[in-house]
Amino acid sequence: RKEVEQDPGPFNVPEGATVAFNCTYSNSASQSFFWYRQDCRKEPKLLMSVYSSGNEDGRFTAQLNRASQYISLLIRDSKLSDSATYLCAVNRFDTPLVFGKGTRLSVIA
Amino acid sequence: GAVVSQHPSWVICKSGTSVKIECRSLDFQATTMFWYRQFPKQSLMLMATSNEGSKATYEQGVEKDKFLINHASLTLSTLTVTSAHPEDSSFYICSARDEGQGVIGADTQYFGPGTRLTVL
Repeated sequence: RKEVEQDPGPFNVPEGATVAFNCTYSNSASQSFFWYRQDCRKEPKLLMSVYSSGNEDGRFTAQLNRASQYISLLIRDSKLSDSATYLCAVNRFDTPLVFGKGTRLSVIA
Repeated sequence: GAVVSQHPSWVICKSGTSVKIECRSLDFQATTMFWYRQFPKQSLMLMATSNEGSKATYEQGVEKDKFLINHASLTLSTLTVTSAHPEDSSFYICSARDEGQGVIGADTQYFGPGTRLTVL
């Protein structure tokens, strides 16, 4: 089993839709959780960290479920500019980030 | 956020040549940097952890004699792809850990813009 697994893509949604991505991790000792956004042929950019209490940043909401070992990302009111690949990443203290394969999102006008 | 630069942003070379890629943390010191490789439509795969002043730690399956890593200062790590072959063509991305950020247990890593290597 891979350490980090994500929903297979691509997700094709109309503008204004709400879309959710899930990501599961296998190592229960994981301590830090992140969502990154990667545009085509570009480096990943940190979208948000994920905390146990959940956190929201504008249209984006991230949740962590330690018991079930998954994290989620919810995007509300999708914009065309949200089209990208979304990567989840986890790590333990002082270890490198381990990335999921990514889920591609296409928001269609 | 912190800035990490990479140079060159792209390179085309002939098979058998060596290519050096630089990764710099511009406004913070990084004792630890990471080198990733990403093939088309694949995830980022960690190649090695670069530690300032000591040897790099390579992931399983990554040849340390082929991918030479040097981290001679707190702001610079270099990756040299020796005797490059077409199968080494990929997107190489470095990241640097900003140890002044976040809480204990958290890990704030900033990525460079990547280097696209094409070996003919």
